[in-house]
Amino acid sequence: GENVEQHPSTLSVQEGDSAVIKCTYSDSASNYFPWYKQELGKGPQLIIDIRSNVGEKKDQRIAVTLNKTAKHFSLHITETQPEDSAVYFCAAWGVSGGSNYKLTFGKGTLLTVNP
Amino acid sequence: SQTIHQWPATLVQPVGSPLSLECTVEGTSNPNLYWYRQAAGRGLQLLFYSVGIGQISSEVPQNLSASRPQDRQFILSSKKLLLSDSGFYLCAWSPHGREQYFGPGTRLTVT
Repeated sequence: GENVEQHPSTLSVQEGDSAVIKCTYSDSASNYFPWYKQELGKGPQLIIDIRSNVGEKKDQRIAVTLNKTAKHFSLHITETQPEDSAVYFCAAWGVSGGSNYKLTFGKGTLLTVNP
Repeated sequence: SQTIHQWPATLVQPVGSPLSLECTVEGTSNPNLYWYRQAAGRGLQLLFYSVGIGQISSEVPQNLSASRPQDRQFILSSKKLLLSDSGFYLCAWSPHGREQYFGPGTRLTVT
């Protein structure tokens, strides 16, 4: 089945700096890659996603890039603000155990933005 | 717009007691529904998913079970809780599987 590795596990940046979180996946057939933001005590919130036929997608201060050849994708947050502090999860949609598809999640990155 | 609800928000139960967590979705029909557990290490583990009423697929053999008695209702149950069942339980819905939207979660502590 699919395996998703996420790095770094913790990231601390100064307000206004950029933050980059990277994920790799193992199954070349995976075709959808979402990113989630989880604030303390809350459910994860889908913030951006990318499909395998696209190399980059932007939404205001956040962007995601995908390199299918290398099987990795990254989340970029520019001009970070204290409210960006949260745990971020990447995921890959691919086959799990036969013909069933599911989202496989990375273990998360705790992002802290220092004022 | 679609809304997903989970209750209770928090629950403290003794070992050996039963469990019932409920998830409901509003504003959509025939959604895919999912139960995840998030342990202290932050990872999300898929427990069950359902593509329709009465259709349940289990990802991990364990002490839990799931049911979908109505189109937009998903229930997670246990007959006898274990200490290892403690965690943050998340319900999610999806229009077709890929884009998944999570509920607020239930914090379960088994004592």
